[in-house]
Amino acid sequence: GAGVSQSPSNKVTEKGKDVELRCDPISGHTALYWYRQSLGQGLEFLIYFQGNSAPDKSGLPSDRFSAERTGGSVSTLTIQRTQQEDSAVYLCASSPVRQGNRDEQYFGPGTRLTVT
Amino acid sequence: AQKITQTQPGMFVQEKEAVTLDCTYDTSDPSYGLFWYKQPSSGEMIFLIYQGSYDQQNATEGRYSLNFQKARKSANLVISASQLGDSAMYFCAMREVNNAGNMLTFGGGTRLMVKP
Repeated sequence: GAGVSQSPSNKVTEKGKDVELRCDPISGHTALYWYRQSLGQGLEFLIYFQGNSAPDKSGLPSDRFSAERTGGSVSTLTIQRTQQEDSAVYLCASSPVRQGNRDEQYFGPGTRLTVT
Repeated sequence: AQKITQTQPGMFVQEKEAVTLDCTYDTSDPSYGLFWYKQPSSGEMIFLIYQGSYDQQNATEGRYSLNFQKARKSANLVISASQLGDSAMYFCAMREVNNAGNMLTFGGGTRLMVKP
């Protein structure tokens, strides 16, 4: 079946502009996650959705970052007034209903954001 | 303190030989899961193997096995019979069951290069 998809694959934007990144999870997966990966680094957790609600927003680096999920499916990560330090690859992952600890997350191909 | 530590930023291995990638973790949660992901140059994160904290046996998935030493808090990935296609970044990650965010915490990664 179809995996996690993300759009756009690449985004170049000017400092100060707003950007929207989209994630389409695997059908039927109730959990959705956003991570950020800076060049040569590991992944940094941003936000987690269970259904449409976000029980954990602790990873969002500033109030310029927000995310929503509608219909328990597609999610949008919005970055307002982008800064150069926002440049990174933004990865989305989804997982099915949690069963114990296993619940592996399936990742999308990412959106490479470059802020000039 | 770092929750996940991968001490080898880069490693070389000869094709067809076995290689061990190190991972140590830190948690006070008695219930947790450990994951390894592969990230080729194309950027996607590919799930490889999972080990639960209460699992009695080391996990194995084809050429991948996880050397789980709970008392030492280590979860090393062993790749047997390395292939050129194994060249990639490898990330160790952990999820703690009492983590409301259900997110994965990642190490900094190890770049594996397989020599022909």
